[in-house]
Amino acid sequence: DADVTQTPRNRITKTGKRIMLECSQTKGHDRMYWYRQDPGLGLQLIYYSFDVKDINKGEISDGYSVSRQAQAKFSLSLESAIPNQTALYFCATSDARTGNEQFFGPGTRLTVL
Amino acid sequence: GQSLEQPSEVTAVEGAIVQINCTYQTSGFYGLSWYQQHDGGAPTFLSYNALDGLEETGRFSSFLSRSDSYGYLLLQELQMKDSASYFCAVRDMANNLFFGTGTRLTVIP
Repeated sequence: DADVTQTPRNRITKTGKRIMLECSQTKGHDRMYWYRQDPGLGLQLIYYSFDVKDINKGEISDGYSVSRQAQAKFSLSLESAIPNQTALYFCATSDARTGNEQFFGPGTRLTVL
Repeated sequence: GQSLEQPSEVTAVEGAIVQINCTYQTSGFYGLSWYQQHDGGAPTFLSYNALDGLEETGRFSSFLSRSDSYGYLLLQELQMKDSASYFCAVRDMANNLFFGTGTRLTVIP
């Protein structure tokens, strides 16, 4: 079983719709992250959470919100999707004690028409 | 802010050695990580350098010079499966990663 899972894996939606992407992990890590990746580019940090009560904005948080429902779950919402939010979205986790490595989920490909 | 530069593409022959360079400008530098990403896949961790010098992990090695704000990833005995994108990423004090735009490595027979 995958340690970090994301749902859905693919989503096509229309401009103005609210979208939620979900991430779950069984690694027992306290830290979770959301990134977006545009074609041919690196990953940009959207939000990160060090525990359930600690949520922080990343480089590109505008237009996004998050919820850390439990240590194992971290969801990303697009309140009103726009076409330039079309991208590949990755969730990642890390362990505060070791911290050097982030473990990534398989990604969600989101298309906003 | 964070700024990283790495070559966009590199091509190398199977069995050869290739070096992928990364230069960075950053505030709050804590270390340099390298990740591999195959097409359609998730990034996977390769190595991490917090101190100057060379770290070796099997066929892959990573080097860091903090005074030069420079690092590289060295891949030896290249295999076809090494064809992928390679990202350097600066780790800041909060353990966040800031990624470069990636180097697409193509290994040819």
